[in-house]
Formats: sequence, C-alpha cells, structure tokens
Amino acid sequence: RKEVEQDPGPFNVPEGATVAFNCTYSNSASQSFFWYRQDCRKEPKLLMSVYSSGNEDGRFTAQLNRASQYISLLIRDSKLSDSATYLCAVNIGSFQKLVFGTGTRLLVSP
Amino acid sequence: DTAVSQTPKYLVTQMGNDKSIKCEQNLGHDTMYWYKQDSKKFLKIMFSYNNKELIINETVPNRFSPKSPDKAHLNLHINSLELGDSAVYFCASSLEGGARDEQYFGPGTRLTVT
Repeated sequence: RKEVEQDPGPFNVPEGATVAFNCTYSNSASQSFFWYRQDCRKEPKLLMSVYSSGNEDGRFTAQLNRASQYISLLIRDSKLSDSATYLCAVNIGSFQKLVFGTGTRLLVSP
Repeated sequence: DTAVSQTPKYLVTQMGNDKSIKCEQNLGHDTMYWYKQDSKKFLKIMFSYNNKELIINETVPNRFSPKSPDKAHLNLHINSLELGDSAVYFCASSLEGGARDEQYFGPGTRLTVT
C-alpha cells in the first residue's frame, strides 16, 4: 500500500460547483498534514495546513479524520482559476519529511 | 522578490555529463530541501539540510551530492548523468524543519538528459 494515496482524477466540475477530494495515508503515526496546489509546469504552492479540528480558508475547507486515516479538501463555489492539481502531503516524524500523494487533477469548466 | 530561486530553469545535457543546480532562499529559513518530480508527476524528497547540516538523505544514488555553503543556499551536483535523471528538480525551504513547518518551493529546474 502506498504511504499516501489520492484519486488522480480528473474531476471535471462546472463553475460554482462544490468538489471534495480525499487523501488516505497508511502510517498512523503521521503528525502533520498539508494541501498543496500545483499548476501545470509550476512549483507546488502551499494551500493550507490541515489541523485536527479542521480549518477553513475562504472557499476551502480541510478536514482530518485520524480514525480512518484520511484528510479531505472541500472547495466551494469553484472558479475557473481553481483548475490545478491538488497534492496532499503527510509528515510522519518530528523532522519534516513530507511524503506527497500523486495529486488529484481538478478541471473547472464554464 | 523571489523567496526561493533556482538556476538554471532548464537544463539539457548529454548522458555522462556532470551538472549543478543552484538554489537560494531569502526567507531566513534554516532548512532547505531537494525534491525530484518525475514524468508521472510523483514528487519525492531527496535531501534536506538544516543550517548546513544534512538531515535527510533518501535512497538517492551517490552520483547526487548536495552542498550547502550557508543556510541560504543548497546546491545539487549530479555526476555521470543518466537518462533516468530526467525530471523536474524542486528546491524548497522551511523555517526550522519541524513537523508542522510550511514549505515554500522554488520554480523548479527541468532537467533533460539525452
């Protein structure tokens, strides 16, 4: 089983839709979790850290479910500019050593 | 002002050559990283340095040698390049290297080995 798994997609949604991605991780000792966004031929950019209590940043909401070992990202009111690949990243130890999923591709259409 | 910068942006070279990629961050961070993103877009860590000291060294061929002259710079030297080294190499930095640090990536260096 891969350490971090994501559905590669693509998820095709119309503008204004709500879309959610999950990311599962295999190591129950994982300590910290992140969502990154990567545009085509660009670097990953941090979208948000994922906190135990869940957190929200505008249209984006991240949740952590430790019991089932997954994190989720919810995007409300999708914009064309949200089209990108969304990478989840999981850190296991006390030092930062991120393990990335392969990403979920989102395509938002007019 | 670019927070994490890399040079060159593109690198095309022949098998067997030796090449270097440079990375600099102006964020005042203590920890820097090198990642490789292959053709399938899988992003994997190679090395991390904290204040010029090697912290993480994944199972990377010893043809790859990172060098950190100071905490703002982490360069990657690759000897005897192989076709399989073709990938995008990203440098990143974070404040201290702790588990909850947020990492900031450079723009990437697209290496093509022919």
